[in-house]
Amino acid sequence: ETGVTQSPTHLIKTRGQQVTLRCSSQSGHNTVSWYQQALGQGPQFIFQYYREEENGRGNFPPRFSGLQFPNYSSELNVNALELDDSALYLCASAPGGRTGNEQFFGPGTRLTVL
Amino acid sequence: DAKTTQPPSMDCAEGRAANLPCNHSTISGNEYVYWYRQIHSQGPQYIIHGLKNNETNEMASLIITEDRKSSTLILPHATLRDTAVYYCIVRGGGADGLTFGKGTHLIIQP
Repeated sequence: ETGVTQSPTHLIKTRGQQVTLRCSSQSGHNTVSWYQQALGQGPQFIFQYYREEENGRGNFPPRFSGLQFPNYSSELNVNALELDDSALYLCASAPGGRTGNEQFFGPGTRLTVL
Repeated sequence: DAKTTQPPSMDCAEGRAANLPCNHSTISGNEYVYWYRQIHSQGPQYIIHGLKNNETNEMASLIITEDRKSSTLILPHATLRDTAVYYCIVRGGGADGLTFGKGTHLIIQP
């Protein structure tokens, strides 16, 4: 059974640029969530996708957007990057949609915005 | 804001039981208590969850008080590899994600 994978591992961008991060969910999981973790803080929920539709969102601006594909893999897109967007971005997958199932996290993508 | 309160750090001797407390006095009737941990530079790892009964799995035990306002995660025989930040989270069944606080940094001492 393959776990959650994310790419790239590390990324450096400059302010104002756009970035796309990718996530492959664990086999059999149709729900994907994205989290942002700033240094020294707990992860903060960005949004969740279930069967290719966004069905939950945290307190993040519209320049954070996402996609989920028919194979349940997912992308996180961030436009107009700001310095405060520097963080570890975590993807988590789970079986089911709106249930309280446990989530399985990937290793994360470390984004640095200069 | 996180709905839970945890001590910022704890120490435990290797081989001993590690007992991590969590207060969640505003928990609703349909909200579960979840525990995750995050080892340095890795993604969070699910440990256990429960509603009102005590739960046990191969990793840990979860003790929830009768009024459900607090809980304790027990690692029965802590090892050095259990050094991590432990997060206690309360969550219902919706699609609103997990709300992480700052957690408890558990340090296992040799």
